[in-house]
Amino acid sequence: DAKTTQPTSMDCAEGRAANLPCNHSTISGNEYVYWYRQIHSQGPQYIIHGLKNNETNEMASLIITEDRKSSTLILPHATLRDTAVYYCIVRVARTGTASKLTFGTGTRLQVTL
Amino acid sequence: DGGITQSPKYLFRKEGQNVTLSCEQNLNHDAMYWYRQDPGQGLRLIYYSQIVNDFQKGDIAEGYSVSREKKESFPLTVTSAQKNPTAFYLCASSSPNRGPTQSGNYGYTFGSGTRLTVV
Repeated sequence: DAKTTQPTSMDCAEGRAANLPCNHSTISGNEYVYWYRQIHSQGPQYIIHGLKNNETNEMASLIITEDRKSSTLILPHATLRDTAVYYCIVRVARTGTASKLTFGTGTRLQVTL
Repeated sequence: DGGITQSPKYLFRKEGQNVTLSCEQNLNHDAMYWYRQDPGQGLRLIYYSQIVNDFQKGDIAEGYSVSREKKESFPLTVTSAQKNPTAFYLCASSSPNRGPTQSGNYGYTFGSGTRLTVV
């Protein structure tokens, strides 16, 4: 699975949009981009995923560049509860086998008043 | 509601003792995983299992053992051979036979974790 690069930390004011970048320049054509977040001392929580089109759900939006070498997770109106470590992961959409996830150190997002 | 239950939430172990961490899921997932997380670090895979009675080593299996006698259960034993067992342990499960468009995530779900401290 392709390696990802994320900034170590970011700050965001409450109510503003949080834009978290991820670089995955070696991504293969059959690899999806996944985002998870981990609030302190809890298990990671799935946020969103995409292949090449932009995606939106109730939690966030995912913008993937046309060359698929980078993506941005957008939390449109960040709240204090969004303070967490955000992980960007790319992996092949295998079926029939266990899907091991490779987590880097992620981006620590601090939402402030 | 379906989910993964890890117990206990906090565990203290004396040096030289074995200890077993519990992980139970009622999601009917085939695959289960154990990850270890150290402060400020990402998750590292210890063991995983694709089906009952089968499991494979992950990246840091030394000093750990697992069993998969039932689909719902995947206990992890931290043995005395693990030199630095103090960490946060996370169990996860997934449904490999679902494509990403069906559940968005293969149903990849994590438990709430067990924090193990060696005293």
